Amino acid sequence: DAGVIQSPRHEVTEMGQEVTLRCKPISGHNSLFWYRQTMMRGLELLIYFNNNVPIDDSGMPEDRFSAKMPNASFSTLKIQPSEPRDSAVYFCASTSGGRAAYEQYFGPGTRLTVT
Amino acid sequence: ILNVEQSPQSLHVQEGDSTNFTCSFPSSNFYALHWYRWETAKSPEALFVMTLNGDEKKKGRISATLNTKEGYSYLYIKGSQPEDSATYLCAFCEAGNNRKLIWGLGTSLAVNP
Repeated sequence: DAGVIQSPRHEVTEMGQEVTLRCKPISGHNSLFWYRQTMMRGLELLIYFNNNVPIDDSGMPEDRFSAKMPNASFSTLKIQPSEPRDSAVYFCASTSGGRAAYEQYFGPGTRLTVT
Repeated sequence: ILNVEQSPQSLHVQEGDSTNFTCSFPSSNFYALHWYRWETAKSPEALFVMTLNGDEKKKGRISATLNTKEGYSYLYIKGSQPEDSATYLCAFCEAGNNRKLIWGLGTSLAVNP
């Protein structure tokens, strides 16, 4: 299994530009999570999907952030317009719902720098 | 607001020392407690998922215990090695919302050779 795949691995963009981060979960996993990691706040859950449906987006910072999961094998996190304070590492993780407690499998992350 | 606290924030030990750290979480509405290991420049990897009060899990030199009544878990590393250097994260699952993890800020462990 290839694990959770994220792209791009690094993104440098200018303030005001649109940024799209992509994630392919592990095949057969039915839950997908987007996290943001910063030094100050650690890992923050932005949004998670179960069976492609958004369940909890209370962690999405503001309207500039949006996430979609059009099918079981693909999700995007979009920031429009981007701001310097969005600079962070963004992780995608997936898990299967077949167990009583669900360990999460993380992708390699996308390091975003907004100048 | 659910809060997960880990202590100490960082730890430096010598190779061969045994060490332990603490994760504190809400003692009500417990569903599961996760431990993850996060090496620099890599992604978090699951170590243990514990669901029952009194659970003890072990993987090699690393073990963990769980007390859901008082809301804490300990992670132990026996005979630390330089390759154990990493940040150790715990995460709490609340009953009724058992896919969402509330994360601690981690304990950063450095093992000196």
